[in-house]
Amino acid sequence: QQPVQSPQAVILREGEDAVINCSSSKALYSVHWYRQKHGEAPIFLMILLKGGEQKGHDKISASFNEKKQQSSLYLTASQLSYSGTYFCGTAAPNFGNEKLTFGTGTRLTIIP
Amino acid sequence: NAGVTQTPKFQVLKTGQSMTLQCAQDMNHEYMSWYRQDPGMGLRLIHYSVGAGITDQGEVPNGYNVSRSTTEDFPLRLLSAAPSQTSVYFCASSGTGTGFYEQYFGPGTRLTVT
Repeated sequence: QQPVQSPQAVILREGEDAVINCSSSKALYSVHWYRQKHGEAPIFLMILLKGGEQKGHDKISASFNEKKQQSSLYLTASQLSYSGTYFCGTAAPNFGNEKLTFGTGTRLTIIP
Repeated sequence: NAGVTQTPKFQVLKTGQSMTLQCAQDMNHEYMSWYRQDPGMGLRLIHYSVGAGITDQGEVPNGYNVSRSTTEDFPLRLLSAAPSQTSVYFCASSGTGTGFYEQYFGPGTRLTVT
């Protein structure tokens, strides 16, 4: 079953912050975040593992709340380059990267 | 390293035709997967492989076949194309071992079935 992402779309001005949520009805063991620009392949952002781990990369960070079965992606002081569609993916129990289930995506548009 | 390559980039098929989408990686990755991407549906897993000679079905396998005779190549075959298979197809690969690794996606093949 696909994880649910919210919001479906968001428009921000450059410099504003954004939060993208990913939730699942099933227990989560790992959450994988990817960004895809229009007409291009998805690009890896980060993986979060069971244990409430929070990771960050530059001004993009994420948290993983296994009790709530959800993950949130935080984009701080957004830049034009952050525009794109963000996907979260979850791995089934006893599976790794080979069998990810992705959400339907959140389209982020950053305007000057 | 070329990473993950896919051919062709674009393809138009008539209903009932068959074809093979090619995928190759030069990173010695054991894991390879095929996804299709439709508007509003995200990425859906078609088939995956955990090594040469080992494949399994994903979420939407009907109408597609795969084989993995080498570590490098993972072709996707459409047996009898249908308009519902119009989509963008992505191949991905990743390493294995303890833990999780990032997936590297190919540039995609845009397929139209008329």
